[in-house]
Amino acid sequence: GAGVSQSPSNKVTEKGKDVELRCDPISGHTALYWYRQSLGQGLEFLIYFQGNSAPDKSGLPSDRFSAERTGGSVSTLTIQRTQQEDSAVYLCASSLSASPLGAQYFGPGTRLLVL
Amino acid sequence: KQEVTQIPAALSVPEGENLVLNCSFTDSAIYNLQWFRQDPGKGLTSLLLIQSSQREQTSGRLNASLDKSSGRSTLYIAASQPGDSATYLCAVSRNPNDYKLSFGAGTTVTVRA
Repeated sequence: GAGVSQSPSNKVTEKGKDVELRCDPISGHTALYWYRQSLGQGLEFLIYFQGNSAPDKSGLPSDRFSAERTGGSVSTLTIQRTQQEDSAVYLCASSLSASPLGAQYFGPGTRLLVL
Repeated sequence: KQEVTQIPAALSVPEGENLVLNCSFTDSAIYNLQWFRQDPGKGLTSLLLIQSSQREQTSGRLNASLDKSSGRSTLYIAASQPGDSATYLCAVSRNPNDYKLSFGAGTTVTVRA
């Protein structure tokens, strides 16, 4: 199992609840990315981690969204007080380096449905 | 802001026919372009990556061309098979320091047996 893994694969929650999405990148990959894919739309960049550098949070849509990466490996994306418009597939990717020359390898995603 | 468009949104062809998928981008100052495949309920699989200095890349039945000046890339899939049914996404990166990929919405392909 050398690929990027994400959990849970599906999450249904009620509006106003908090959710946590987990990503396990490929071992040795220093760069980690979170994207959101809404129905009928392209992937939207959310946040990027590279090693011990401060993350690039410029894609996070609101302050209800946050992410952390512990020990340079596993990452958790947290959405507080979920709204129906947060319903989407959340994809995590990792790559060997920050350079775009390094192809990004994607996990299967977490399908979030906010009722 | 980079806008990436993929046309058509959906495509259905009989098995054996060649596939032509189009991707256009508004800012020609790209660093590279990637084509991905996404299967239902699965993540993205990188198919081909073309550097801005390249004109095309080939892998098996897949060939991707890049015309940076006109802001276009085309993915050709020869002799399509039912297993090629998936959504194909293209994504561009702006420069060597820009890791944020800009994605198109994808073309959903159905190959009929």
